Amino acid sequence: EPEVTQTPSHQVTQMGQEVILRCVPISNHLYFYWYRQILGQKVEFLVSFYNNEISEKSEIFDDQFSVERPDGSNFTLKIRSTKLEDSAMYFCASTGADLGEQYFGPGTRLTVT
Amino acid sequence: QKEVEQNSGPLSVPEGAIASLNCTYSDRGSQSFFWYRQYSGKSPELIMSIYSNGDKEDGRFTAQLNKASQYVSLLIRDSQPSDSATYLCAVNPGGDNRLAFGKGNQVVVIP
Repeated sequence: EPEVTQTPSHQVTQMGQEVILRCVPISNHLYFYWYRQILGQKVEFLVSFYNNEISEKSEIFDDQFSVERPDGSNFTLKIRSTKLEDSAMYFCASTGADLGEQYFGPGTRLTVT
Repeated sequence: QKEVEQNSGPLSVPEGAIASLNCTYSDRGSQSFFWYRQYSGKSPELIMSIYSNGDKEDGRFTAQLNKASQYVSLLIRDSQPSDSATYLCAVNPGGDNRLAFGKGNQVVVIP
């Protein structure tokens, strides 16, 4: 069964450093997303991506964040200068249809020290 | 007003019983509704989707949607210890492509 994959599973970085989180969405899906979940809190939307451009973004997704689909399979989230409050689980998701079922990857645990 | 609310505290049910979870949402324009299961430290796993009023059954799970009352529910029949997890209600608010999640309800199935 196709699934969303994410790498790395755990990333530890120092405050102020840049990190890139990687995702491979399900191959025939067209809509891609990043969400985050701070420990003990709810899952929060960051950004959606369709047809090689951002279609929606939340207030969390400020100038420190960017997304890219560098090739036909990968979808990346870059945080330019990490802050302590960026520590969270970051989930990539994808769906084949607008407003359709979103399937989540296993997540990347980002720890900023 | 929160977009998606799940207000019940942890739910303990004996094995074999029915677990009932509720969720309300604020945006009347919402069109798509989902239940996800999340085990501790893991990612959300889709278990049910529902798009129209009424009931939808899939195995031991039944989702119920009432758009007039802005209410979604999930029933888990014949609860098993493996059902012990946090259940997340998610909605596409106002037809937005993104998902808005509730904070989740923890279910504990007691053998």
